[in-house]
Amino acid sequence: AAGVIQSPRHLIKEKRETATLKCYPIPRHDTVYWYQQGPGQDPQFLISFYEKMQSDKGSIPDRFSAQQFSDYHSELNMSSLELGDSALYFCASSLTSGGSTDTQYFGPGTRLTVL
Amino acid sequence: LAKTTQPISMDSYEGQEVNITCSHNNIATNDYITWYQQFPSQGPRFIIQGYKTKVTNEVASLFIPADRKSSTLSLPRVSLSDTAVYYCLGDTGGFKTIFGAGTRLFVKA
Repeated sequence: AAGVIQSPRHLIKEKRETATLKCYPIPRHDTVYWYQQGPGQDPQFLISFYEKMQSDKGSIPDRFSAQQFSDYHSELNMSSLELGDSALYFCASSLTSGGSTDTQYFGPGTRLTVL
Repeated sequence: LAKTTQPISMDSYEGQEVNITCSHNNIATNDYITWYQQFPSQGPRFIIQGYKTKVTNEVASLFIPADRKSSTLSLPRVSLSDTAVYYCLGDTGGFKTIFGAGTRLFVKA
């Protein structure tokens, strides 16, 4: 079965540079979520999109922005990178039913290293 | 959002049954309880979800008492490959999902 695709899988950037992470949800899924997971930490919700509109926001820095495109893929844009941005970034997708049973399917993650 | 509390870590041996209990005292009436498993450097993976009583699938069982203020994930006959972090989530129907501190399960030979 098709899974969530994330690219790139690894990314190395310098401080103050920008980075763009891409996420391709499972076909027909209409909701995308972004998470950040630092070393030894639990996943932290950043932002979500439903039907190409931002649906909720978590602890996402102002330096980060994201959007969901007409083909439902999503991109997380990160500017003025800091050392503390080094983390695993996961994207997840779900088919929103409007209830409380939506299962999220996670991608393999993008490992961002900021030097 | 329902706040959940789980043990930080648990140890077990291969072949044993492992029960991980999660407390969610303020869970809303229409919230489901969902458990995810995460291996190092991989994305969380859905294990099981339930609303009340008992749910069983090929991987685990989930027990939820009538008051729904807690739930117990039961893993039968664990193996070394079950070593992972297990997360209990309440309220995943919305668009903001909060992962609390999960339970780090370590299975020994």
